[in-house]
Amino acid sequence: GENVEQHPSTLSVQEGDSAVIKCTYSDSASNYFPWYKQELGKRPQLIIDIRSNVGEKKDQRIAVTLNKTAKHFSLHITETQPEDSAVYFCAASTNTNAGKSTFGDGTTLTVKP
Amino acid sequence: SQTIHQWPATLVQPVGSPLSLECTVEGTSNPNLYWYRQAAGRGLQLLFYSIGIGQISSEVPQNLSASRPQDRQFILSSKKLLLSDSGFYLCAWGHNYGYTFGSGTRLTVV
Repeated sequence: GENVEQHPSTLSVQEGDSAVIKCTYSDSASNYFPWYKQELGKRPQLIIDIRSNVGEKKDQRIAVTLNKTAKHFSLHITETQPEDSAVYFCAASTNTNAGKSTFGDGTTLTVKP
Repeated sequence: SQTIHQWPATLVQPVGSPLSLECTVEGTSNPNLYWYRQAAGRGLQLLFYSIGIGQISSEVPQNLSASRPQDRQFILSSKKLLLSDSGFYLCAWGHNYGYTFGSGTRLTVV
């Protein structure tokens, strides 16, 4: 089955700096890569996603890049703000197997004011 | 609009007691539904998924079970809870844009 590894497990940055979280996946059939943000005690919420036919996607301060050859994808947050502090999860899925996603173990991002 | 409901929000249960968590989806038909568990400070572990009424796939052998009695209803159950069943349980609806998660149930087994 699919295996997703996520690094780092914790990340602390100063407000205004950039943050980068990286994930690798094992199943070359995976074609959909979402990122979720989970604030303390809340449900994970989708913040951005990318499909395998695209190399990069950007939404305001958030961007995701995908390297299919190397089987890795990354989340980039620029101009970080204290409200960006949360746990971020990457995931990988395919159109088969009922679209079930395999998640990374999460990255706890702390943005210091 | 499409929404997902999950209840209860919190639950404290003694070891050996039964469990029933319920999840319902509105605004769509024949959704793919999932149950995940999140241990404290950890990632999301897929427990069960369902692509239709009566169709359940189990990912992790354990003392939990799932059922889908109606198209938009997904239930997680246990006959006898263990201490290790404590965690944050999340129901999710899968669609072309990833998952929409329910608000979660924080289960503490004492």
